[in-house]
Amino acid sequence: DGGITQSPKYLFRKEGQNVTLSCEQNLNHDAMYWYRQDPGQGLRLIYYSQIVNDFQKGDIAEGYSVSREKKESFPLTVTSAQKNPTAFYLCASTPLGATNEKLFFGSGTQLSVL
Amino acid sequence: GQSLEQPSEVTAVEGAIVQINCTYQTSGFYGLSWYQQHDGGAPTFLSYNALDGLEETGRFSSFLSRSDSYGYLLLQELQMKDSASYFCAVGDNAGNMLTFGGGTRLMVKP
Repeated sequence: DGGITQSPKYLFRKEGQNVTLSCEQNLNHDAMYWYRQDPGQGLRLIYYSQIVNDFQKGDIAEGYSVSREKKESFPLTVTSAQKNPTAFYLCASTPLGATNEKLFFGSGTQLSVL
Repeated sequence: GQSLEQPSEVTAVEGAIVQINCTYQTSGFYGLSWYQQHDGGAPTFLSYNALDGLEETGRFSSFLSRSDSYGYLLLQELQMKDSASYFCAVGDNAGNMLTFGGGTRLMVKP
């Protein structure tokens, strides 16, 4: 079945540690996105990528990094510079040019600080 | 930049009709989308309006007025499973990214 897989479902970070959230899709979508969601809040864009080896900052990119070495994969690293990383992280994808019409989301990763 | 406003919470009874409003301010407009998210789950796409008017999909309808920078999601024959958060979203100038509103939490009571 086609879809977007995020792992792990739950992740704990120690202070000063970098952690990486995985996002893989087999929908053959060109564009991929990372959103952060805080409790009771909307989704805020961290990074997005429309093509392999290229990505753009969203509204809240500070303290995060991404890579897009393969079309199927768009991992997000939460660095130690992100001082308030506890949140629900959602990965999404869509065919190029269809962003406004429909995003497909993964099931999310809940990141907490120990 | 883009900003969207929607009510934070709406309560309705089972079987009723509820309307969730969304007003937006954008530097460019590429359509208004709606997403549903149950607690702890992923957002799922509900509807998309690029042009003025009403789009109907089963019990859900979405309306857009570009001149008023306003849209709404209409849910009919409410069911308990409709209890969720609903988000409106607009695209940027180039249609490369979506900006989401803060979400409306809908509680359906028996």
